[in-house]
Amino acid sequence: DAMVIQNPRYQVTQFGKPVTLSCSQTLNHNVMYWYQQKSSQAPKLLFHYYDKDFNNEADTPDNFQSRRPNTSFCFLDIRSPGLGDAAMYLCATSGIPGGYSNQPQHFGDGTRLSIL
Amino acid sequence: AQKVTQAQTEISVVEKEDVTLDCVYETRDTTYYLFWYKQPPSGELVFLIRRNSFDEQNEISGRYSWNFQKSTSSFNFTITASQVVDSAVYFCALTAGANNLFFGTGTRLTVIP
Repeated sequence: DAMVIQNPRYQVTQFGKPVTLSCSQTLNHNVMYWYQQKSSQAPKLLFHYYDKDFNNEADTPDNFQSRRPNTSFCFLDIRSPGLGDAAMYLCATSGIPGGYSNQPQHFGDGTRLSIL
Repeated sequence: AQKVTQAQTEISVVEKEDVTLDCVYETRDTTYYLFWYKQPPSGELVFLIRRNSFDEQNEISGRYSWNFQKSTSSFNFTITASQVVDSAVYFCALTAGANNLFFGTGTRLTVIP
């Protein structure tokens, strides 16, 4: 089945130690998104790639970066994780972005990040 | 600006009861799309349904049904004969114009056996 895969499911890192979360997709979708979801809150969009074009949300901290080396893969890099960055990180894909269609976003299972 | 309000933070029902989850949205765009997602305890967001702003037909899928009313800017979700497996957080979401998907704060549904 075509899907969105996130690895690992659980990630533990130390305060200030860089960490990378990965996402891959077999849907061949043009758009890949990264969301941060803290406990009991709605997912919050950090940024997305439309093909190779990177689109950062205005309130996403500089500490968060992303890379998309090809259509299938997208990475979330947290350069210096703080305690406030502990959250579930969700990757999603869609054929075209945002409000231009009724295409749903397809989500991965998420990576739960803990900071020691 | 887009806004999605899910006023019910938590709902508990006994198995086999019907339950309705409310969603009220705001947007100035005349073309927009509404979605419901389910997030079980395992964490993944599962797409349930989409609705276009120009299609006010209600929809039924098994035990699930959705009532879209533009006049009240509401897109409510009803589960009939609830089951324990329905326990999850349910998110209503909106997208319009150049904006990406905007989620409500979610409703946590607990179905008690």
